[in-house]
Amino acid sequence: QSGLTQPPSASGTPGQRVTISCSGLSSNIGSNPVYWFQQLPATAPKLVIYRDTQRPSGVPDRLSGSKSGTSASLAIGGLRSEDEADYYCAAWDDSLSGWVFGGGTKLTVL
Amino acid sequence: QVQLVQSGTEVKEPGASVNVSCKTSGYPFTAYYIHWVRQAPGQGLEWMGWINPNTGATKSGQKFQGRVTFARNMSITTVFLGLTFLTSDDTAVYYCARAPTVVTLDENWGQGTLVAVSS
Repeated sequence: QSGLTQPPSASGTPGQRVTISCSGLSSNIGSNPVYWFQQLPATAPKLVIYRDTQRPSGVPDRLSGSKSGTSASLAIGGLRSEDEADYYCAAWDDSLSGWVFGGGTKLTVL
Repeated sequence: QVQLVQSGTEVKEPGASVNVSCKTSGYPFTAYYIHWVRQAPGQGLEWMGWINPNTGATKSGQKFQGRVTFARNMSITTVFLGLTFLTSDDTAVYYCARAPTVVTLDENWGQGTLVAVSS
C-alpha cells in the first residue's frame, strides 16, 4: 500500500519557523484534503490540521497547513520545546479506497 | 464529552487471534464511522479499515482482507476489531478513530491498545 512521503527529520531552534513537507499523488493529496497529526511519545496521535488548512479548537495559530497540487506542508512558527514530536500527514486515496499516511517526521527543537 | 476507550494490552502467540474493543460515549453512536489504525514499534501509522456503526458495513485495507473483521454492538456503543493468524509483524498499538464520513477524520481517537505477538 503506497504512502505519502515525508522527510524523516526536521529541526529548529526556539522561536524559529520550520516547515514539514508531505508529497503524494493525484489520487490522494491531489484530490482530497490533507490532515496533519502530532504524536508525542507513547500517546495517541493528535489532530492539528484538517481539510488542508483548518485548525481544531485549542491548536495554536502558530501551526498552519497549506497545499499545492500533490504536495502539502505543515508550518510551525515561533517554535517551542513542546512542539518536539512526530508529525504525520494523511489523506484519503481514491485509487485504494483507503487512508494513506506519511512515514512521519521527527521534529527536534534544538 | 466525546470518549473512545479501548481495551487493555493483549499478549498472543503466533497463529492466535485477538479482539480489541473501543467503547464510545458522548455522541450519537450511529452518526460517526470508526476507523482502525495501527502503529508498529518505532514505525508510522497504518490504516486498517472502517466500520459504519449505523449499518454495520465494513471495509478493510487490501493488506488485511481475509484476516480482519470489524463489528459493533449498538446496545453498548462499542466497536470491535478482530485479527486472526497473528504473526510478529502484527505487534503494534491499535487505535480506533472517529470520523464524520469515510473520507474524513476528526480529533477523537482511542488511547490505543498494545497487541504483542510472541512465542
